[in-house]
Formats: sequence, C-alpha cells, structure tokens
Amino acid sequence: KNEVEQSPQNLTAQEGEFITINCSYSVGISALHWLQQHPGGGIVSLFMLSSGKKKHGRLIATINIQEKHSSLHITASHPRDSAVYICAVYSGGGADGLTFGKGTHLIIQP
Amino acid sequence: NAGVTQTPKFRILKIGQSMTLQCTQDMNHNYMYWYRQDPGMGLKLIYYSVGAGITDKGEVPNGYNVSRSTTEDFPLRLELAAPSQTSVYFCASSYSMGGGTEAFFGQGTRLTVV
Repeated sequence: KNEVEQSPQNLTAQEGEFITINCSYSVGISALHWLQQHPGGGIVSLFMLSSGKKKHGRLIATINIQEKHSSLHITASHPRDSAVYICAVYSGGGADGLTFGKGTHLIIQP
Repeated sequence: NAGVTQTPKFRILKIGQSMTLQCTQDMNHNYMYWYRQDPGMGLKLIYYSVGAGITDKGEVPNGYNVSRSTTEDFPLRLELAAPSQTSVYFCASSYSMGGGTEAFFGQGTRLTVV
C-alpha cells in the first residue's frame, strides 16, 4: 500500500508570498492529484499529473517520478488561497480509487 | 451542470439509528466512491462502484452498505450508527478507472453520532 506524506502540515504566510507544499509517496504511481478543500466546503480537483509540470493561473504543480515527489506552488498568494491542500496518488491496476495524504492547512494573512 | 450532489450536508444521529446518505452525479460516470474524512487523517475509501449493479468494499467498509441501481445514484447506508462513524463523508465520481482521470467530489456530509 502506498504511503503518502505531505509537508508541512500547517503553513501560515503573508499575502504575496511564494508558497510550496510537498508530497512524497512510497510506491510508483500512475497519477498524482492535487486537491483543494475550503473550510466547511467540498473538495475540488486542482491538478492531475503523471509527469512533468502543469500550470493553472497562479498554481503550479510538478512531479519527479524517479524521486517519488511532487510539489504544489502558489505564486503571489492571496487570502482566498487559504484552504487545505491534499495530495492523492493512484498506483494503478485497480478501480479502488486514490490514496490520500493528510493535507496541508494553508493560511494566507492579509 | 451540477456535478456530484450529496445530501444531507449535516446530520446528527443517535446511537443505533440508521440513515442513508444520498449521492447523485450527472456526468454519466461509471466509477463512484464513498470516502470518510476524520480529523488529522487522509480520506479513507469505504465502498466503490465500477458501474450499475457492481459494488465492492474499500478500506473501511464495516458498518456501511451501498447499492448502485443506476449510473447516477450511489447511496451509502449506515445501519446501527455508532460514535466511531462520526466523520465527514464525501462521495466522488470519475470517468474511468481509479485515479487515472480527474475525480469530482460532492460537498460532503458532516455526520455526528451521539
């Protein structure tokens, strides 16, 4: 079973700062997801990637398959980016879904 | 486009009561999932379905049951509620197998068993 570790668990930063959230996993994967969960709200998918790098607005996700590591970056952070960011991996071979990290709780202060 | 819709959003149950969490999706996805999220823990898979009439257990199925009579609906049944079932429950769906395509999640159901 894949083990997914995220760091840091909690992060408080000032508006405008560059944010990095890390995710490492123990077993090779077919796909990695970054998800966002706002307080009291649902979960939305930010990225799904299996190699390289993806960018959407101020969000950038990278993955290094050899090192079993992914990072989520937020440029020019804003208070509305405050949320829990969750890394999840799919190891392939079955229909039984994703293995999730515990999440990183991000607070951006004005 | 509603995506994945879960009801109710909140519920308080007494020990021993039963209830059904409803989940419906309008994206014609074959794959649907139920997860629970406990404080400080990653989401855990309860049950999943690969299509109408087909369901299977996930990592933490005890105390729950599911059915999948249509592509759209995947209700989760709690029988004899216990305090250990206090959690936030998420329904999700995807177009193809496992995590290989984007997953769509509902808004969650916060359940408290007292």
